[in-house]
Amino acid sequence: DTAVSQTPKYLVTQMGNDKSIKCEQNLGHDTMYWYKQDSKKFLKIMFSYNNKELIINETVPNRFSPKSPDKAHLNLHINSLELGDSAVYFCASSFAGGASTGELFFGEGSRLTVL
Amino acid sequence: DAKTTQPTSMDCAEGRAANLPCNHSTISGNEYVYWYRQIHSQGPQYIIHGLKNNETNEMASLIITEDRKSSTLILPHATLRDTAVYYCIVRVGSGNTPLVFGKGTRLSVIA
Repeated sequence: DTAVSQTPKYLVTQMGNDKSIKCEQNLGHDTMYWYKQDSKKFLKIMFSYNNKELIINETVPNRFSPKSPDKAHLNLHINSLELGDSAVYFCASSFAGGASTGELFFGEGSRLTVL
Repeated sequence: DAKTTQPTSMDCAEGRAANLPCNHSTISGNEYVYWYRQIHSQGPQYIIHGLKNNETNEMASLIITEDRKSSTLILPHATLRDTAVYYCIVRVGSGNTPLVFGKGTRLSVIA
């Protein structure tokens, strides 16, 4: 069983469209994250949610709207896609509890290409 | 911003030990040193972490200096599959603080 799964793995779309990427974790974690990795390979945190509550929003444009229907899911919806949104988006999860190691588990990434 | 400094790239002969250094001179008392790696086109993978003591697991060893201002990740017998970008990250051990990635070290294992 895949611990952190993202769909779709590849997404090609036109500028101006709206698209969503879904993420699910089956590890029982209470915190989930979205990271963006651009063409220069820098990995940057976008959002983090703890128990469905948004706790970090790293100055991401409001065209990006994360939604966490429950602790096991964190979806990313992007409106009015721009060329600069082309990147690989990684979902991750961790357990924030006091006894945890703080290890993050990452999904395999969703490669978004905006034409 | 990342609180660590790593060399941009390193080479290692297959079968030899790979020693990847990391400087974290501003590390706080409650921050751990984490190592992750990213093999091409895959999600980052946890390797090891430590606070003060040296640590070892099935993947690697982590040596942290006594003043905690630097550390070294050791892959004892590097294989071609260890070719990846290795990230050294300092972070509090628990809670919901995200990892802040720097540029990492691109390790190339050569046959």
